[in-house]
Amino acid sequence: AQSVTQLDSQVPVFEEAPVELRCNYSSSVSVYLFWYVQYPNQGLQLLLKYLSGSTLVKGINGFEAEFNKSQTSFHLRKPSVHISDTAEYFCAVSNTGGFKTIFGAGTRLFVKA
Amino acid sequence: KAGVTQTPRYLIKTRGQQVTLSCSPISGHRSVSWYQQTPGQGLQFLFEYFSETQRNKGNFPGRFSGRQFSNSRSEMNVSTLELGDSALYLCASSRTSGAAGTDTQYFGPGTRLTVL
Repeated sequence: AQSVTQLDSQVPVFEEAPVELRCNYSSSVSVYLFWYVQYPNQGLQLLLKYLSGSTLVKGINGFEAEFNKSQTSFHLRKPSVHISDTAEYFCAVSNTGGFKTIFGAGTRLFVKA
Repeated sequence: KAGVTQTPRYLIKTRGQQVTLSCSPISGHRSVSWYQQTPGQGLQFLFEYFSETQRNKGNFPGRFSGRQFSNSRSEMNVSTLELGDSALYLCASSRTSGAAGTDTQYFGPGTRLTVL
């Protein structure tokens, strides 16, 4: 069985500061990894995904994530956040057979002026 | 290109009633997945439909069912509503099945169901 743990439920950060949202997963098989963002009263939007190849994945809005197989982590980073990045971020995993995505509990990023 | 649309956006029902939610995928997308989002349980996979066939199902009771039509539109039905069914129900579409794999899932804005 697969699982996803987002280590921080809330992350407050000042505008223009760097941020890292942490995600660890467990799986006995190869996985695909995702980060989604959810703004208030909206659905989820894909930020980036890791399928294979380079372990550093670049996504939209200046976000990037690094897949670390030995540490089973997929942390999301942004070098300089904006007020508009305030949202909830979800890490997710699926096995390479697809069909079912397991989501983490979410991390609420709050960017302060 | 229009995104994923869900209707209605908000719904209030009472215990014991049943409800039907609708999802229209992006044009050309044949896979529709449904998720339940609650503060306590987070995002949980309900089921996926592809070409009118249910491809996978999450761990929900039989009160939760769905179907997909030939135009790829999908409906989700919950019978005998319970207070715990109050949630945001999200649907996501993608071009091919195995939607959690290489294809990107595009999410709709959700239907917020409140059960009183």
